[in-house]
Amino acid sequence: GAGVSQTPSNKVTEKGKYVELRCDPISGHTALYWYRQSLGQGPEFLIYFQGTGAADDSGLPNDRFFAVRPEGSVSTLKIQRTERGDSAVYLCASSLSQREGLITDTQYFGPGTRLTVL
Amino acid sequence: EDKVVQSPLSLVVHEGDTVTLNCSYEVTNFRSLLWYKQEKKAPTFLFMLTSSGIEKKSGRLSSILDKKELFSILNITATQTGDSAIYLCAVGSGNTPLVFGKGTRLSVIA
Repeated sequence: GAGVSQTPSNKVTEKGKYVELRCDPISGHTALYWYRQSLGQGPEFLIYFQGTGAADDSGLPNDRFFAVRPEGSVSTLKIQRTERGDSAVYLCASSLSQREGLITDTQYFGPGTRLTVL
Repeated sequence: EDKVVQSPLSLVVHEGDTVTLNCSYEVTNFRSLLWYKQEKKAPTFLFMLTSSGIEKKSGRLSSILDKKELFSILNITATQTGDSAIYLCAVGSGNTPLVFGKGTRLSVIA
């Protein structure tokens, strides 16, 4: 079946602009995660959705970052007033919901969006 | 604070060599340890380990977990140039965000 998809694959913007990054998870996966990966680092957590609601947004660096998942499937990460330090690869992942007796920790990643802020 | 440490950070080997990548962790609520391979942007899933001492194997790759000493190793035998990638280790504790290490960059030269 189809994996996690993300668009655009690359985004170049100017400092101060607004950007939206889209993630389409694997069908049937109710948990969706956003991570950010800078050069030489592992992915760092931003926000996590269980269904339509943000279960944990403690990784968002500041109030310029916001994410939604209005129908419990596609999610959009929104960044306002972009700064050069926001340049990174933004990864989205999805996983199955918690089920009794089944460990569902495996997260499946999309190809990422490389954001460059000039 | 939860922490995952991988070593070495980078490694260069020749085709046919065997490599061992290390991952140690300190987390509050451990449930699983996962290995991913990252070649361009998307990390691709390799293994999930939940029990100590049980080896997971897939072709030339294998991995094992030691929950007492809080570490895992990933072995790759008879390495090929296609194994060149960043190998990421992450720890999971249910439907929560994974905590990743910085990765080991493996370069296999012909």
